[in-house]
Amino acid sequence: ETGVTQSPTHLIKTRGQQVTLRCSSQSGHNTVSWYQQALGQGPQFIFQYYREEENGRGNFPPRFSGLQFPNYSSELNVNALELDDSALYLCASSTGQGLTDTQYFGPGTRLTVL
Amino acid sequence: GQNIDQPTEMTATEGAIVQINCTYQTSGFNGLFWYQQHAGEAPTFLSYNVLDGLEEKGRFSSFLSRSKGYSYLLLKELQMKDSASYLCAVREVGTGRRALTFGSGTRLQVQP
Repeated sequence: ETGVTQSPTHLIKTRGQQVTLRCSSQSGHNTVSWYQQALGQGPQFIFQYYREEENGRGNFPPRFSGLQFPNYSSELNVNALELDDSALYLCASSTGQGLTDTQYFGPGTRLTVL
Repeated sequence: GQNIDQPTEMTATEGAIVQINCTYQTSGFNGLFWYQQHAGEAPTFLSYNVLDGLEEKGRFSSFLSRSKGYSYLLLKELQMKDSASYLCAVREVGTGRRALTFGSGTRLQVQP
């Protein structure tokens, strides 16, 4: 196990609703990255937080937003849910430094939008 | 931007060796990672290459050629539990950003 935890495990929402997903990083890690993984695809980068600041963003609309807290845990918020938002949402933590910096993934949250 | 290609599916026999290839195009290479992902689970880290050559870790090895934009993951002495998707991911040089760009994954089926 990586020490990265996510909640909830599964979630069912309807179109137009809002959702908040949570992630606790591994001890000693100050960087959290969020990814969306559709069925049969590789994870797609949403954004990354380093020491409570957004540190890069992928090609996702503004209705995807996030936060990182002083203890380096993080939230992903998605507003105005669409059917295509149904996916596995993964967070990964890392030290954010050095050439060998490796991202370790949590178990994911499976979001279903009906 | 980046483009990462890997085969969609592969089949191999228990006890055999399999090589999973990955080619990439990037404007600023800063490392290549391999992850294993079992169905319904999170990706788990397997190996990392930033310099050319072979990195060996038990039954798993990964090779990188930066000039060719090419990597492979070599799995030896295949076991049934190795049936999974294998994801190739590239990290790009960029101020303040250390995100990974993933390929679509190679689904490996190990048969008895």
